[in-house]
Amino acid sequence: AQKITQTQPGMFVQEKEAVTLDCTYDTSDPSYGLFWYKQPSSGEMIFLIYQGSYDQQNATEGRYSLNFQKARKSANLVISASQLGDSAMYFCAMREGQGGANNLFFGTGTRLTVIP
Amino acid sequence: GAVVSQHPSRVICKSGTSVKIECRSLDFQATTMFWYRQFPKQSLMLMATSNEGSKATYEQGVEKDKFLINHASLTLSTLTVTSAHPEDSSFYICSYRWGVGETQYFGPGTRLLVL
Repeated sequence: AQKITQTQPGMFVQEKEAVTLDCTYDTSDPSYGLFWYKQPSSGEMIFLIYQGSYDQQNATEGRYSLNFQKARKSANLVISASQLGDSAMYFCAMREGQGGANNLFFGTGTRLTVIP
Repeated sequence: GAVVSQHPSRVICKSGTSVKIECRSLDFQATTMFWYRQFPKQSLMLMATSNEGSKATYEQGVEKDKFLINHASLTLSTLTVTSAHPEDSSFYICSYRWGVGETQYFGPGTRLLVL
């Protein structure tokens, strides 16, 4: 089974509107971390936001927030007030277990296009 | 996160040649670095974990004799693609973990094109 599933290959959003990028995950480990990355056309992977499995509150970082629904195993990224510079590929990722030894699994990504 | 540089950012080479990619941590000491590969329109796949002073750990299906990894110091890890072929053309990115949740940060990447 896929560890991380991103069902939206592409999304469009009007500038200044909010957009939600979907991510579901599959793990039986009670301890895990969820990450979102942005990859613009330059190729660099930019870390956006992190959510730990034991975190009680949804993570937020500026215009980014993570809608963490543990029972549904979903970790959707919400981008508020979209900007043209938000156009990029977005990857959801998960690492199981404690510490840094375990692999980071990536989803297939969602290409977001912000329309002026 | 801390700063990681990669060199070169882009390389074009002939089939059969070897290419060395450097990943340098600029303001921290990285005992462990990770090397990823990303083919066009695909996600990142972990190739190997590079440990300072010891042998790298390769993921299943990654040839250790073809992708030589050296992590001789706490600030430098290198990936050498030996006898490169067109199918090795890809985007290679190094990565390290730091901070809350051992968040993984990535270098700027190296685009390799083998003709």
